[in-house]
Amino acid sequence: QKEVEQDPGPLSVPEGAIVSLNCTYSNSAFQYFMWYRQYSRKGPELLMYTYSSGNKEDGRFTAQVDKSSKYISLFIRDSQPSDSATYLCALNTGGFKTIFGAGTRLFVKA
Amino acid sequence: NAGVTQTPKFRILKIGQSMTLQCTQDMNHNYMYWYRQDPGMGLKLIYYSVGAGITDKGEVPNGYNVSRSTTEDFPLRLELAAPSQTSVYFCASSSGGGGVADTQYFGPGTRLTVL
Repeated sequence: QKEVEQDPGPLSVPEGAIVSLNCTYSNSAFQYFMWYRQYSRKGPELLMYTYSSGNKEDGRFTAQVDKSSKYISLFIRDSQPSDSATYLCALNTGGFKTIFGAGTRLFVKA
Repeated sequence: NAGVTQTPKFRILKIGQSMTLQCTQDMNHNYMYWYRQDPGMGLKLIYYSVGAGITDKGEVPNGYNVSRSTTEDFPLRLELAAPSQTSVYFCASSSGGGGVADTQYFGPGTRLTVL
């Protein structure tokens, strides 16, 4: 079983839609949960992070962690064509090694 | 700050050739990483370093070598290139504090094709 599972998509939505991106994981020791955004032909960049369970909101983006279900989500409200990118979840136990999901490709159509 | 820089941006190699991918960071980070990214496969860790003179294998180290003589530089060496090494290579660095303090900063990547 992989440590982190993420549907690669692609996910195609119309502009203005609410987008839900998800990852499941198997190791209950993960404490830090991050989302990276990667534009085409660029390196990943940190978008949001949360510690332990709960929600965190930043503008149109909300990160949600459910440790009991080992399930993390990223919601994008009022999606824009500029949100078209690959989104990678990343998990960390508190050490320096981070495990990345495979990434979900998102297309937002104008 | 330039962050993490990588050279070259693109390279085509013939089978059996060797090359070095360069990576430099100017954030005084102790931790540096090399990943490869294949379509639909996510990021696979090749090698990492926790400081100058200290390196260790990641998930997919075969066919690669690294060295870390300074805090800033972490070159990746490919010996006897094979078509299976066709990929996009990313270098990253972090402060290594653990958890969210260990946010990784990525370079722009090197696209390598082995024919």
